[in-house]
Amino acid sequence: EPEVTQTPSHQVTQMGQEVILRCVPISNHLYFYWYRQILGQKVEFLVSFYNNEISEKSEIFDDQFSVERPDGSNFTLKIRSTKLEDSAMYFCASRGQGVEAFFGQGTRLTVV
Amino acid sequence: KNEVEQSPQNLTAQEGEFITINCSYSVGISALHWLQQHPGGGIVSLFMLSSGKKKHGRLIATINIQEKHSSLHITASHPRDSAVYICAAPEMYQGAQKLVFGQGTRLTINP
Repeated sequence: EPEVTQTPSHQVTQMGQEVILRCVPISNHLYFYWYRQILGQKVEFLVSFYNNEISEKSEIFDDQFSVERPDGSNFTLKIRSTKLEDSAMYFCASRGQGVEAFFGQGTRLTVV
Repeated sequence: KNEVEQSPQNLTAQEGEFITINCSYSVGISALHWLQQHPGGGIVSLFMLSSGKKKHGRLIATINIQEKHSSLHITASHPRDSAVYICAAPEMYQGAQKLVFGQGTRLTINP
């Protein structure tokens, strides 16, 4: 069964460092998303991406964040200068023409 | 803006009990997701439903679109069902769709 894969599963980084979280969505999907979940809180929307551009972003998704689909298969989330409050579980999701979204297993980001 | 609320927030039960988790949302939707999150944090999609009822093994999900309410039931609960259960509703914005999540229900099934 096709699945969304995320790497790494866990990333520890120093405050101020750049991190890139990687996702391989399901191959024929068109819509791509990043969500995050701070420990103990709800999962919250960060950004959606369609047709090689951002279709919507939340107020969390400031200039420190960027997304890219560099090669038609990977979908990356970059945080330029990590802060302690960026520590969270980051989920990638993808969707085809239908309503159902498929999630990756997440990357746990710890900023120290 | 869709608001998604779940109840209860925490639920502890004995093995074998029938479990019900509720989800209400504020804006009419086309379909609702039920998701399961295990202690390691990964999310697994359980159901997406747009009307009526769906069943998968011991899990049953129902939705009432008019009342903006969905329930997830677990029959003959087992300790391995212990997890956080999350409902999520789609929200449309300029043709794009994102999910709005409930806060989750932490379910603990004791042997």
